[in-house]
Amino acid sequence: NAGVTQTPKFQVLKTGQSMTLQCAQDMNHEYMSWYRQDPGMGLRLIHYSVGAGITDQGEVPNGYNVSRSTTEDFPLRLLSAAPSQTSVYFCASKGGRLAKNIQYFGAGTRLSVL
Amino acid sequence: AQTVTQSQPEMSVQEAETVTLSCTYDTSESDYYLFWYKQPPSRQMILVIRQEAYKQQNATENRFSVNFQKAAKSFSLKISDSQLGDAAMYFCAYLHQGGSEKLVFGKGTKLTVNP
Repeated sequence: NAGVTQTPKFQVLKTGQSMTLQCAQDMNHEYMSWYRQDPGMGLRLIHYSVGAGITDQGEVPNGYNVSRSTTEDFPLRLLSAAPSQTSVYFCASKGGRLAKNIQYFGAGTRLSVL
Repeated sequence: AQTVTQSQPEMSVQEAETVTLSCTYDTSESDYYLFWYKQPPSRQMILVIRQEAYKQQNATENRFSVNFQKAAKSFSLKISDSQLGDAAMYFCAYLHQGGSEKLVFGKGTKLTVNP
């Protein structure tokens, strides 16, 4: 059981470059989300999705785009990378009440923007 | 908006001793869940324990237990018989059941276990 798979694990970008962080889950969860983790800040929600075709903004959405064309995949796009987006990014998926509302996290992507 | 506060940025404990990590939250909701996640140096987020707000009984998982005080909006984590492998960042998190179902995290407590 793979759970939540994130790629890549590490990435270095130059300011202005674009890239997509990939996230896939095999647990048939409707809810998926992206967080960023910065030192001393905990995890902050960037975007989330409650099902295929439905996305919404979280606490820190600026500079990021998402789409949800399938239940399994929820990619995060950085359109024009900025040094302020240097962070560790986590994707998560969650089952409903019957699945005890537990969020499962991917292993994270460490992104550096120079 | 819901907020989660962890007032102890760092804690330390001797191996085999007991330590308690504090967490308070602010909400006007009555139906919600609370979680403690552990993040070791590998940075993987690992669920330690979860509590449903409507349950008065405190959750336990082996050496981990919580003291859930709903009226005081407090959710502390007790680690008994601390082990070197317990050293990690610990995050308290709140989930409102229904609506956006967003998980709100505290800023974390770094736990050091001394041999």
